[in-house]
Amino acid sequence: GAVVSQHPSRVICKSGTSVKIECRSLDFQATTMFWYRQFPKQSLMLMATSNEGSKATYEQGVEKDKFLINHASLTLSTLTVTSAHPEDSSFYICSLGALTGDHNEQFFGPGTRLTVL
Amino acid sequence: GQNIDQPTEMTATEGAIVQINCTYQTSGFNGLFWYQQHAGEAPTFLSYNVLDGLEEKGRFSSFLSRSKGYSYLLLKELQMKDSASYLCAFSDSNYQLIWGAGTKLIIKP
Repeated sequence: GAVVSQHPSRVICKSGTSVKIECRSLDFQATTMFWYRQFPKQSLMLMATSNEGSKATYEQGVEKDKFLINHASLTLSTLTVTSAHPEDSSFYICSLGALTGDHNEQFFGPGTRLTVL
Repeated sequence: GQNIDQPTEMTATEGAIVQINCTYQTSGFNGLFWYQQHAGEAPTFLSYNVLDGLEEKGRFSSFLSRSKGYSYLLLKELQMKDSASYLCAFSDSNYQLIWGAGTKLIIKP
C-alpha cells in the first residue's frame, strides 16, 4: 500500500497564529488527497479534497479562507490553518486514495495534533 | 439521506470473541470498510466488503448484507492490543467515504 507521512506530528501555537501541516505521499503519485479533522471521541470529518494543480473542493461548513489547501505536486499537499483559535484544536489527518485490488482504499498519514492556546 | 451507525463502546474479555455491528443507509453504495484506530493514531485498514457475505482474514472477519444495510466486524481470540476504536465507513456513489463515529473496544484481562 501507499505510505503517507505528515509533518509536524504535534504542534502547539498561540491563538491568532497560522499553522502549516504537510502531507507527503512517499511512494505514490497522488492526484487527489483528503484532509480530515477529528475531535475527541468523534468520527472523522472530511474537510476538503485536495486536487493536484487545481483548487481544493471544500465540504459544506468548512471555510476555505481559513483552511488553505495547496496541492502543488503529486507528492505534497499542505493545509494551513490561518488565524488559529482554540476551537481549531483537533487531530488533522490526511489520506490518499489508491486502487488496491478490487477497491479504492484510503491510506492515512499519522495525523497532526494541533493545540491552540 | 445518508447515515451510518455503530455502538459507542463495547467491552470484551481477552481470548473471547466480539462482534461489532454497523448499520447504514445510502442510495449509492460502493463498499463497506472497517478501520482500526488506536488512541492518538490515524486509522489503519482492516477490511473491505462490496458483495454480501463473510470475508475472513486471520482473527478478523467482516460480514456484509447490502439488502439490510448491515455489516459486522468479528474479532476472535481477543488480545489486549486489540483495544482500539473500530470505524466502519461506506463508500457512496461518488466513492467518498462516509464514516461512523467509531466503536471503542475495551479488552479486559
